[in-house]
Amino acid sequence: EVQLLDSGGGLAQPGGSLRLSCAASGFTFSNYDMTWVRQAPGRGLEWVSSTSGNGRSTYADSVKGRFTVSRDNSKSTLYLQMNSLRADDTAVYYCARDRRSSLTRAFDSWGQGTLVTVSS
Amino acid sequence: SYVLTQPPSVSVAPANTARITCGGKNIGSKSVHWYQQRPGQAPVLAMHYDRDRPSGIPERFSGSNSGNTATLTISRVEAGDEADYYCQVWDGSSDHVIFGGGTKLTVL
Repeated sequence: EVQLLDSGGGLAQPGGSLRLSCAASGFTFSNYDMTWVRQAPGRGLEWVSSTSGNGRSTYADSVKGRFTVSRDNSKSTLYLQMNSLRADDTAVYYCARDRRSSLTRAFDSWGQGTLVTVSS
Repeated sequence: SYVLTQPPSVSVAPANTARITCGGKNIGSKSVHWYQQRPGQAPVLAMHYDRDRPSGIPERFSGSNSGNTATLTISRVEAGDEADYYCQVWDGSSDHVIFGGGTKLTVL
């Protein structure tokens, strides 16, 4: 059974940093792209970043230059380093397994989410 | 950038059919995926590649995609179908993912 466990959320000050983790199990982690999606309180889903099995990454314009996605395939863990945090980064952050193909990306398993609150 | 437009809300009586639309320029040329998100829960893939149901999704769920509109259809709606539904596509030129704004399905 595929399982994704998100962690690392919490309260951060504006301009501060936070690192999220996503521990994966039940599948060969290195064979899959992985993606972060966030959801601000009462709002819809927003794609944040995706990374390939070998670490090639892409970012939403809203986080590019501030967030960095990485992965440790030996630990089956995905990370999101968030720097220069702003109030509008406040959201629940989900990791998702990414069924990337030449035609599309689709997310077939999701973590339970971890809440990031940016406030002074 | 590419925009997906969904109605904010759709209401339907139990046992009737709900249709949730997702509009985008020439969306019929893209693969559309749908996610169901029940209150307080993580999203679940409800339909992929326009019309393919993942395992565990009831046969009552179906999808279509043509022209400028993709549609998720839920037949014989049940109370448990009440949730937010999001459509999603991939922009291959930028390798960016786009979500629609979401539709809240209310079962009357």
